[in-house]
Amino acid sequence: GAVVSQHPSRVICKSGTSVKIECRSLDFQATTMFWYRQFPKQSLMLMATSNEGSKATYEQGVEKDKFLINHASLTLSTLTVTSAHPEDSSFYICSAAGLAGVWSYNEQFFGPGTRLTVL
Amino acid sequence: GQQLNQSPQSMFIQEGEDVSMNCTSSSIFNTWLWYKQDPGEGPVLLIALYKAGELTSNGRLTAQFGITRKDSFLNISASIPSDVGIYFCAGQYSGRSQGNLIFGKGTKLSVKP
Repeated sequence: GAVVSQHPSRVICKSGTSVKIECRSLDFQATTMFWYRQFPKQSLMLMATSNEGSKATYEQGVEKDKFLINHASLTLSTLTVTSAHPEDSSFYICSAAGLAGVWSYNEQFFGPGTRLTVL
Repeated sequence: GQQLNQSPQSMFIQEGEDVSMNCTSSSIFNTWLWYKQDPGEGPVLLIALYKAGELTSNGRLTAQFGITRKDSFLNISASIPSDVGIYFCAGQYSGRSQGNLIFGKGTKLSVKP
C-alpha cells in the first residue's frame, strides 16, 4: 500500500511553454500533498503544500503564479510550471500524506519524481 | 529554509561493513524519518521515529530518536551492494499533524563488492 505515482516521469519542453505534472495516490486518500524540487546532488526543498479543495500554501521564495498547484480530489494534485525557462529545469517530486496502512498519518509517501528539462 | 546537519556527506565502504550516519538540528522535532533515494527515483521511507529515545529496527537498519529530540542516527549492519544510494534524514516540527518535513542534505553511500 501507500503508492504514489507521478506523470510524466520525464519531460523536455521549449522555453516559454507550460508543463503539467500529475501526482496521484493510488491506494489511499491523500488529504495533503506536497511538492518538492531537487537540484542535482542536493536535498529536497519544499515548494508548496496543498490540501484537497483549498488553495496551496507556498514556501517563501516560490512564485505561486509560476508554479500553479491544483488539488481537486483526494487522490490527485497537479503542478503546472507556467512559461518555463531553463532555470526551472529540475527534478520535481510530490508526496502524499493521509491514512495509509501501518504507517502513521504523519507519513509522507513520495512519488517517483518528474525530470523536467527546459531547452 | 532550515536544513538539518547530516553527516557524513558520503561514505565508501566494503561490502559487509557496518554503516552509521546521523543528523542534528538546532530545533526540536517530534518526528524523525529516514529515507533512501535511488538515482532518478523518489525517496522511500525506511524508518519513522516518534518518541525521544525510541530505537527502531527495520531488517538490517536501526535508527534512534535522540533524547534531546534534536538528533537521530541510522545504522546499517552488514552492508550489501543494493544498499547503495542516498540516505536522507527528515524532521517534522511539533504541533503539525501533517506538517512540513525538513530534510538533511543526504549521505551518499557507495558499497564495494
